[in-house]
Amino acid sequence: SQQGEEDPQALSIQEGENATMNCSYKTSINNLQWYRQNSGRGLVHLILIRSNEREKHSGRLRVTLDTSKKSSSLLITASRAADTASYFCATATTGTASKLTFGTGTRLQVTL
Amino acid sequence: GAGVSQSPSNKVTEKGKDVELRCDPISGHTALYWYRQSLGQGLEFLIYFQGNSAPDKSGLPSDRFSAERTGGSVSTLTIQRTQQEDSAVYLCASSLVSNSNQPQHFGDGTRLSIL
Repeated sequence: SQQGEEDPQALSIQEGENATMNCSYKTSINNLQWYRQNSGRGLVHLILIRSNEREKHSGRLRVTLDTSKKSSSLLITASRAADTASYFCATATTGTASKLTFGTGTRLQVTL
Repeated sequence: GAGVSQSPSNKVTEKGKDVELRCDPISGHTALYWYRQSLGQGLEFLIYFQGNSAPDKSGLPSDRFSAERTGGSVSTLTIQRTQQEDSAVYLCASSLVSNSNQPQHFGDGTRLSIL
């Protein structure tokens, strides 16, 4: 079953704007990861945030984690057409070793 | 190899036939994962291997699904007596070790269509 639920399901913005995607989950986690999937391809790991971290940056990506609300957000700043993809959050539930549970994804469309 | 390799990239078969999907992980990666992705959906965990053993098979949908890994490298996912609901993209991933703090590296998947 899907633990993570991304919001919104779809997002369309213009190049240069910021894109924010949210993820909610249900159980206690070790970490939360964000992945990107281009159409017809596999997933690419973007960033991992541990349960004891609140914010993490990587290039134009900023991830926040609120374990009290069981939610995370992914912010992509100054978006580019090449950022067009689906974005998934994945949680590593405490006590389940390496198993990741993926959300349903946000489809991001960045137009020129 | 440079990345996770899956074959075939596409497979079309008739209902009731058996299919084998292959995954070649990144060299040196001891952990290997299989997921299923239905159209427009997220990923559904099927099974993972640490070396040649499978500590977690909980996601396999039925006894028609099985997977093996030999030599700590290549893995094969077998679906027997395929049904139309088996149509999906089957994704394989590998990581250095089976630790949840390790990122998973994905192949491009096998798109399976059951007629």
